[in-house]
Order: sequence, then structure tokens, then C-alpha cells
Amino acid sequence: EAGVAQSPRYKIIEKRQSVAFWCNPISGHATLYWYQQILGQGPKLLIQFQNNGVVDDSQLPKDRFSAERLKGVDSTLKIQPAKLEDSAVYLCASSRGQGAQETQYFGPGTRLLVL
Amino acid sequence: GQQVMQIPQYQHVQEGEDFTTYCNSSTTLSNIQWYKQRPGGHPVFLIQLVKSGEVKKQKRLTFQFGEAKKNSSLHITATQTTDVGTYFCAGPNQAGTALIFGKGTTLSVSS
Repeated sequence: EAGVAQSPRYKIIEKRQSVAFWCNPISGHATLYWYQQILGQGPKLLIQFQNNGVVDDSQLPKDRFSAERLKGVDSTLKIQPAKLEDSAVYLCASSRGQGAQETQYFGPGTRLLVL
Repeated sequence: GQQVMQIPQYQHVQEGEDFTTYCNSSTTLSNIQWYKQRPGGHPVFLIQLVKSGEVKKQKRLTFQFGEAKKNSSLHITATQTTDVGTYFCAGPNQAGTALIFGKGTTLSVSS
């Protein structure tokens, strides 16, 4: 079974630029999560999708971050414009069902550096 | 708000020594999950605990869920260099829809 795929793996941009990350979850997984992991911290949930609907985006900075999962499969996360404090690893994860009892499978992450 | 706290933040041991990390929640948890993240890697699921007082073992790793379901621990017996990484506990948010991760305990092992 293929794992969660993410691209790009690394990205360096200047502040005020925009950037987009892509995630393809494990086949058949209905739930997709985007996390932000700042160095030395645990993953922080940004947004959670169930199929193509948003379950939780309460911690997504909506003035600059947006995400979509149009066909209920792959997803993109965008930052526009980026700030220095957005430097982090952006992790995508998926689970078969919805709920905190589900095992989450993480992708390799995208390491973003904002200069 | 709801928090999941872990101690210690860092732990260095000699190979062969034991290691324990503790996880505490500000609220009662329906379940708790543990993940391991190797340096430069991504979190990988280790185990889920559901029952009060539950103890589960995976080879040299022992996981425990407290009686009050507000704390948990991970104990590694006779650490090896392959145990290096950051161990995260994660509990459900208030809605039960997603996980809240602790800050993790980073384990380093010298041979």
C-alpha cells in the first residue's frame, strides 16, 4: 500500500511570496489532515477534511492560508502572503475514517523556509 | 483550552539504560495515541490506548494509560540507538474529531 505523498519536499521563499503544497493521501482514506510543525513542537492541526468537506479549520489563519480537497482525494494548502513565522514543516496525514480514535498516517512533509 | 503536556522535553541516555516519558492531559481522554518521529522524519503511529489502567507492550516498549484516563506513559527498557527520536502523545480534542499532540520528548542515545 502506497503511503501519503507530498510535494515539494523543500521550499525556500521570501516573505510576502506565495507557496502551495500538495498532498495525495492513502487510497481509500476519507479523512485528510494538514498540520504545521514548528521546530521543537508537536504537529498542530490546521485543517481537517472528511471527503471534500471541511470538518475543522478553527486553527487555520484564514487571512493567509487556504486549503481545498475538491474531489475528495488529493489536497492543496496555500499560503499567500507568507510571513517569516510560517517557516515550519507542513505535514499531511490521512486516516480511513473520521474521529480521534483513527490511526493517522503521515506523509514525509514539506519543509518551508521563509526568508 | 485543552492541553496535552509531556515531560521531559529532552532525555539523553547511555545505550542499555531505561527511558520513560510522561504525558498529562488537562481533561479526561477517551483514548490516547503515541507516535514516534525519527530525526528528519515524520510521525509514525505506535499504539493506541483506550481502557482505564490499560498496559500494552511492544517488545521493549511498555505503554500505560492512567486509571483516571488523564495521563499516560511510555517506558523503553534497555534503550538502543534505534530508539532515537521524538515521542509524541496525542489525545482527542473536545469535539473528538481530531488529535491534539503534545510537544514531544526527544530521546538521544549514546553507545
